[in-house]
Amino acid sequence: DTAVSQTPKYLVTQMGNDKSIKCEQNLGHDTMYWYKQDSKKFLKIMFSYNNKELIINETVPNRFSPKSPDKAHLNLHINSLELGDSAVYFCASSLFNHPRDSYGYTFGSGTRLTVV
Amino acid sequence: AQSVTQLDSQVPVFEEAPVELRCNYSSSVSVYLFWYVQYPNQGLQLLLKYLSGSTLVKGINGFEAEFNKSQTSFHLRKPSVHISDTAEYFCAVSDQRAAGNKLTFGGGTRVLVKP
Repeated sequence: DTAVSQTPKYLVTQMGNDKSIKCEQNLGHDTMYWYKQDSKKFLKIMFSYNNKELIINETVPNRFSPKSPDKAHLNLHINSLELGDSAVYFCASSLFNHPRDSYGYTFGSGTRLTVV
Repeated sequence: AQSVTQLDSQVPVFEEAPVELRCNYSSSVSVYLFWYVQYPNQGLQLLLKYLSGSTLVKGINGFEAEFNKSQTSFHLRKPSVHISDTAEYFCAVSDQRAAGNKLTFGGGTRVLVKP
């Protein structure tokens, strides 16, 4: 069983559309994250949730809205998609909401979003 | 705020040769340090981490890294690489006291192991 699973793996859509990416973890972790990896492989945090509570909300356009219905799920909804949203979006989880978490992050395999 | 600089964007290396990937960071607060590896079309996987204690840290797959506080560096090494080590490697830091367990990543170093 995949520890952190994201769907879909690939997403091609037109500008202006609304899309969602789903993430589920079966590790029993308390904290989940969304990271964006741009075309130059640069990774930047977008959001983190701890047990369904929003903890980190970086400078992200409000077209991006995360939703955590329970601590095993963190979905990302994007409204009015723009060309610059094209990237790989990674979901991740960690056991605890603190850097000393000895297990680090577990990442999903990513969702490649292409906006045309 | 923290920033991480990986000094080499690409490192070609022959199989069974040693490799060193350089990472420097800047931070006004104490940080924890990490190295992650990303194989093609996969998510990132933790290689090793420095939290405290001995500055030489050993990780998975024969990798090790050394924390140097005075030089604010955390270079990654492997004495003998395999073809399977071809991947992208990311150095990252996190603020020891901040809530949220946020990682700040460097730009990555692509390692290409040649036979």
